[in-house]
Amino acid sequence: AQSVTQPDIHITVSEGASLELRCNYSYGATPYLFWYVQSPGQGLQLLLKYFSGDTLVQGIKGFEAEFKRSQSSFNLRKPSVHWSDAAEYFCAGKGGGTSYGKLTFGQGTILTVHP
Amino acid sequence: NAGVMQNPRHLVRRRGQEARLRCSPMKGHSHVYWYRQLPEEGLKFMVYLQKENIIDESGMPKERFSAEFPKEGPSILRIQQVVRGDSAAYFCASSPSNTGMNTEAFFGQGTRLTVV
Repeated sequence: AQSVTQPDIHITVSEGASLELRCNYSYGATPYLFWYVQSPGQGLQLLLKYFSGDTLVQGIKGFEAEFKRSQSSFNLRKPSVHWSDAAEYFCAGKGGGTSYGKLTFGQGTILTVHP
Repeated sequence: NAGVMQNPRHLVRRRGQEARLRCSPMKGHSHVYWYRQLPEEGLKFMVYLQKENIIDESGMPKERFSAEFPKEGPSILRIQQVVRGDSAAYFCASSPSNTGMNTEAFFGQGTRLTVV
């Protein structure tokens, strides 16, 4: 079955520190992968997406993610975290055979940023 | 170009009442998706609709839940005889008419339903 897993429920980092949020996927073929951010009481904002090509994807707000087929991973990274990055982050995917926007979401990772 | 608009943002219903959640997709989008986010969980797909058609309802509970996307007007997610377990955030997303393999969906801000 297709699935997306985020192993870390909650991560705490200090402002200015680097960040890596983990995401693992299970799909029969190469999936299309996404990272979304959700601030409290808000909707989802797309940070970046991977469809094909370069495995290192640049997104908004200084985020990037790397697709690693050998590890079935699509981890989100940021070199220096800002207090405003505190939010919940969701990894999502859809199968290569899915011609529409039906996504499978991970459980989410809550990011807390200490000053 | 306004984004995906959902209303109401917050909805409180007593057990047994009906809840109607509305979603207006982005201009030019004719594909709508509904997702439910239970407390401390990720989003779960419920249903995918195009104008006047339900394409995929594999995530919809078998009873009390229905969805429509009429030719005119917003998409409606309807929950009859609500129970406490229906309390959740319901998100709508839309994508363009020319949906291809690499088309992304844009999300609304959600409706937070509380059943008391």
